[in-house]
Amino acid sequence: DQQVKQNSPSLSVQEGRISILNCDYTNSMFDYFLWYKKYPAEGPTFLISISSIKDKNEDGRFTVFLNKSAKHLSLHIVPSQPGDSAVYFCAANAGGTSYGKLTFGQGTILTVHP
Amino acid sequence: GAGVSQSPRYKVAKRGQDVALRCDPISGHVSLFWYQQALGQGPEFLTYFQNEAQLDKSGLPSDRFFAERPEGSVSTLKIQRTQQEDSAVYLCASSFLNTEAFFGQGTRLTVV
Repeated sequence: DQQVKQNSPSLSVQEGRISILNCDYTNSMFDYFLWYKKYPAEGPTFLISISSIKDKNEDGRFTVFLNKSAKHLSLHIVPSQPGDSAVYFCAANAGGTSYGKLTFGQGTILTVHP
Repeated sequence: GAGVSQSPRYKVAKRGQDVALRCDPISGHVSLFWYQQALGQGPEFLTYFQNEAQLDKSGLPSDRFFAERPEGSVSTLKIQRTQQEDSAVYLCASSFLNTEAFFGQGTRLTVV
C-alpha cells in the first residue's frame, strides 16, 4: 500500500525552464510534507517543506504547492539549473509524530540539460 | 563532524552472517531514525529513538533486526542471520525535536 506516490519516474527539462515534480498521497493523517533531494552516493538532503495549514511555501527558486482536497502536492523549480539534476523524493509526516518519521515516495529523477 | 556519519559505507555479508551498522548523529540531535532503501525505491522507516529510548520500532521487518542507542548518541543497527532480501542501503538520520531530519550517506549492504 503506497501511501505516497510519485508517478513520474523521470523528468527532463531544459536549463532555465520550469521543473514541476508531482506527488500524491492517500493518508488523511498526513499534515506535514517535505521534499528531499538526493545525489548519487549521498543521503537525501532536505529541500523545502509545507504544513497542511498552508497551500504554498516558497524558498528562492523552489516553491511547494499543496492541494489538500486533491491530496496532491507539487514542487516547482524556477529557473532550473544543471546542478538541480538529482533524484527528488516527496515525503509525508503524520501529526503527532516526530518530523523525522516519514513516508517517502519512490522518487523522480530530474535531469536538467544545459 | 558536521554531518551524520555512517560506517561502514559498504558491507558485503554472506547469507546467514550477522552485521552491525553504525550511525554517529549530529551532535546535540535528540532524535535518531533508521531507514531502509531498496534499489529504485524511496527510503522506508525502520525505527526511531529519542535520546536512548526507542519510541517506535514499527518498521523493523522482522525480529532479526535490532537497533540500540544506549547512551543517546551513537546508534547501531544489527541484522542477524542476514538474508538476500536484506540487501539495501541503510540510512540514518538525526534531528532536534520537531525539526527536519538530516540524513547520512548510508551503508550499502549486499548479502551474497
